[in-house]
Amino acid sequence: KAGVTQTPRYLIKTRGQQVTLSCSPISGHRSVSWYQQTPGQGLQFLFEYFSETQRNKGNFPGRFSGRQFSNSRSEMNVSTLELGDSALYLCASSFDLGGIYEQYFGPGTRLTVT
Amino acid sequence: DQQVKQNSPSLSVQEGRISILNCDYTNSMFDYFLWYKKYPAEGPTFLISISSIKDKNEDGRFTVFLNKSAKHLSLHIVPSQPGDSAVYFCALTQGGSEKLVFGKGTKLTVNP
Repeated sequence: KAGVTQTPRYLIKTRGQQVTLSCSPISGHRSVSWYQQTPGQGLQFLFEYFSETQRNKGNFPGRFSGRQFSNSRSEMNVSTLELGDSALYLCASSFDLGGIYEQYFGPGTRLTVT
Repeated sequence: DQQVKQNSPSLSVQEGRISILNCDYTNSMFDYFLWYKKYPAEGPTFLISISSIKDKNEDGRFTVFLNKSAKHLSLHIVPSQPGDSAVYFCALTQGGSEKLVFGKGTKLTVNP
């Protein structure tokens, strides 16, 4: 079974631009979560989507948004990019079965903002 | 305010010996606990998990221990192998939420 895939793997943008990252979950997984990893803050939860609805949200500004499509694929958008948005963005998917909370991560998208 | 702490940024052990990675948390509402390992340029890989109704879970060379009263979680790897060299993260969640709260990680180096 194919794992979580993320595109693109690397991205360089300029301050003020916007960016869209894509995530395809493991087949059959209905929940998709996004995380930001930086050296200073570690792995931080951005948001989670389930059945095309945002179900959980972390403490990030409104410039960070996402959506999920009917096939469970998800996109994340960051508008008005700032230097501090440079990070590894990770997508994770899970079955969302009662009592089982393991999430499976993709390889990430490395975003550099200059 | 850091809810989850991995106080050892790094750990070095000899091949064949035991590796013990620790994780402390402050919020007693956490009820599901996971360990992930991460190699450079890859996403975290799920290793093992435990729910708050248990105090131990084993999977091959990996055992997770949970001490709820001390709010302490540990991962034991026995025997350690050079391929285990990676950064290990503990991740916690509560109430059936998919939101994982991660520690900052411990870099494990297993020397041949």
